[in-house]
Amino acid sequence: DGGITQSPKYLFRKEGQNVTLSCEQNLNHDAMYWYRQDPGQGLRLIYYSQIVNDFQKGDIAEGYSVSREKKESFPLTVTSAQKNPTAFYLCASSSVASGGYEQYFGPGTRLTVT
Amino acid sequence: AQTVTQSQPEMSVQEAETVTLSCTYDTSESDYYLFWYKQPPSRQMILVIRQEAYKQQNATENRFSVNFQKAAKSFSLKISDSQLGDAAMYFCAYRSAYKYGGSQGNLIFGKGTKLSVKP
Repeated sequence: DGGITQSPKYLFRKEGQNVTLSCEQNLNHDAMYWYRQDPGQGLRLIYYSQIVNDFQKGDIAEGYSVSREKKESFPLTVTSAQKNPTAFYLCASSSVASGGYEQYFGPGTRLTVT
Repeated sequence: AQTVTQSQPEMSVQEAETVTLSCTYDTSESDYYLFWYKQPPSRQMILVIRQEAYKQQNATENRFSVNFQKAAKSFSLKISDSQLGDAAMYFCAYRSAYKYGGSQGNLIFGKGTKLSVKP
């Protein structure tokens, strides 16, 4: 089945540690996105990538980094510079060639930093 | 910059009845797309329905339909014959019709409406 996978579902880290969230898709989509969701908030865009080896900052990129070495993969690293990293993180993808009008989401990763 | 506003943080509906969720948006563009996403307790974001701004006809998907008022910049979601499985957060989202490059292709989300369904 085609889809987007995110792992792990729950992640716990100590303050000061970097942590990497995985996102993989087998939909052959060109574009991939990372969002952060906090209680009472909508989704806020962290980073996006429309093609391999290229990515752009979203609205809240500070304290995060990404890479896009393969079309299928778009990992997100939450660095120790992120002041409030505890949140729910969602990865999404879309097909640029077909217009990319809809984004499809993975199941998300809940990150807790103490 | 475009903005999306959902003015109802919470809504409640009796099972089998109809409920309408509101969404307004602000844009200077004439061509764009609007979406409703559902996020159940599992937190998986699911696309419910989409509307192209150039289409006058309101989109429908089974029990879900929209009332798209382009001049008023309003995009409400109607859920008919509500079911317990409809209980979720619902997010309205906007996307420019610009196809390639830059941030214009990104989704802009409202803050969501939490829908409860009473048995």
